[in-house]
Amino acid sequence: SQQGEEDPQALSIQEGENATMNCSYKTSINNLQWYRQNSGRGLVHLILIRSNEREKHSGRLRVTLDTSKKSSSLLITASRAADTASYFCATVPTSGTYKYIFGTGTRLKVLA
Amino acid sequence: DVKVTQSSRYLVKRTGEKVFLECVQDMDHENMFWYRQDPGLGLRLIYFSYDVKMKEKGDIPEGYSVSREKKERFSLILESASTNQTSMYLCASHPTGFGQPQHFGDGTRLSIL
Repeated sequence: SQQGEEDPQALSIQEGENATMNCSYKTSINNLQWYRQNSGRGLVHLILIRSNEREKHSGRLRVTLDTSKKSSSLLITASRAADTASYFCATVPTSGTYKYIFGTGTRLKVLA
Repeated sequence: DVKVTQSSRYLVKRTGEKVFLECVQDMDHENMFWYRQDPGLGLRLIYFSYDVKMKEKGDIPEGYSVSREKKERFSLILESASTNQTSMYLCASHPTGFGQPQHFGDGTRLSIL
């Protein structure tokens, strides 16, 4: 099956810095979602951006979507140690399927 | 808050055993999903269900079956466990409506010896 791909696979930054991670995908989408997964836990939904939106904000999160390039980015501003987690993008294809396509994730480590 | 509860956080079983993983959600969601998560492979969909007694195969259904007798409960069954089914299993749900955010349980880390 097709998979989204996050880039980079791993990222290590200092507390207070910004973290940017990218997601590329292959199909036409209805929307794209970002999730966070703390170590040993389930995924938690962070933000959803629809295919007709280009940018969305939620607190310290900023998501952009470029459907022409089939890519999205997640920016976390002023990162904190508590942001240490893996981040996944998930795309919802326009085909009407319930099969969300999850990427392989970016492991973010924020150093205090 | 939506709560998705998986019956076990850790489970150890032997090759050939029949294994049941249970998932319960408390928000009356129509749609429920089972994924497995392996390093470097992301989440892969095993089965999903969009209504009671309804199920559809995901991308990797071989060796698994599911049961949804009640709306709140979605069970994953490993018919005859094998070592290559050692993995983290995640259950998720979302309400009716296409493309809704999914709510996940905390996962079951299953080891098959």
